[in-house]
Amino acid sequence: DTGVSQNPRHKITKRGQNVTFRCDPISEHNRLYWYRQTLGQGPEFLTYFQNEAQLEKSRLLSDRFSAERPKGSFSTLEIQRTEQGDSAMYLCASSPPGEGANSPLHFGNGTRLTVT
Amino acid sequence: AQKVTQAQTEISVVEKEDVTLDCVYETRDTTYYLFWYKQPPSGELVFLIRRNSFDEQNEISGRYSWNFQKSTSSFNFTITASQVVDSAVYFCAVGGSYIPTFGRGTSLIVHP
Repeated sequence: DTGVSQNPRHKITKRGQNVTFRCDPISEHNRLYWYRQTLGQGPEFLTYFQNEAQLEKSRLLSDRFSAERPKGSFSTLEIQRTEQGDSAMYLCASSPPGEGANSPLHFGNGTRLTVT
Repeated sequence: AQKVTQAQTEISVVEKEDVTLDCVYETRDTTYYLFWYKQPPSGELVFLIRRNSFDEQNEISGRYSWNFQKSTSSFNFTITASQVVDSAVYFCAVGGSYIPTFGRGTSLIVHP
């Protein structure tokens, strides 16, 4: 079990630029979640995949955000035309098959985005 | 559809004190799970415990214990004889037919 891996750990970008983050879940986990966490807040759900299918998206996820999980393995989260309000920690989590939303989540270390 | 309230923003204690972190949840599900996660200063959220809504037995694991009371929709977490290594942000979460929803967290600071 190598854990959930997220890259990069930190990203600083200028407003208006596009950024892409990558998440590699635990290999046998079929569910993959993206959450966003700002200072002093808990993780807020953005979207989740079961295998390669994106099954749910939060209303927080504006049209500038897109996520993919093309082969049901790693996932990418892209933010287009970044805004300062996008500055946050982006967390990826995965869980094994069988228990749906009742499985404990295994989180990565996150990608901290700073938009200047 | 789901909500978790952690009213305590920050708790500061001295080592060896007992401390209880409160969690109140709301859900429309009749069957659901409750979770606690720990986020140390290093940043990675770590799963601590899961409790099924049908199981109201309290659970103890070493210095950690959890009190689930369905009647008050609470799932409180107690650390006995706290240690400096317990310093972290602790999150309560509820899952079920919905995506897991987290509270805002309680920051616990344990002073030596």
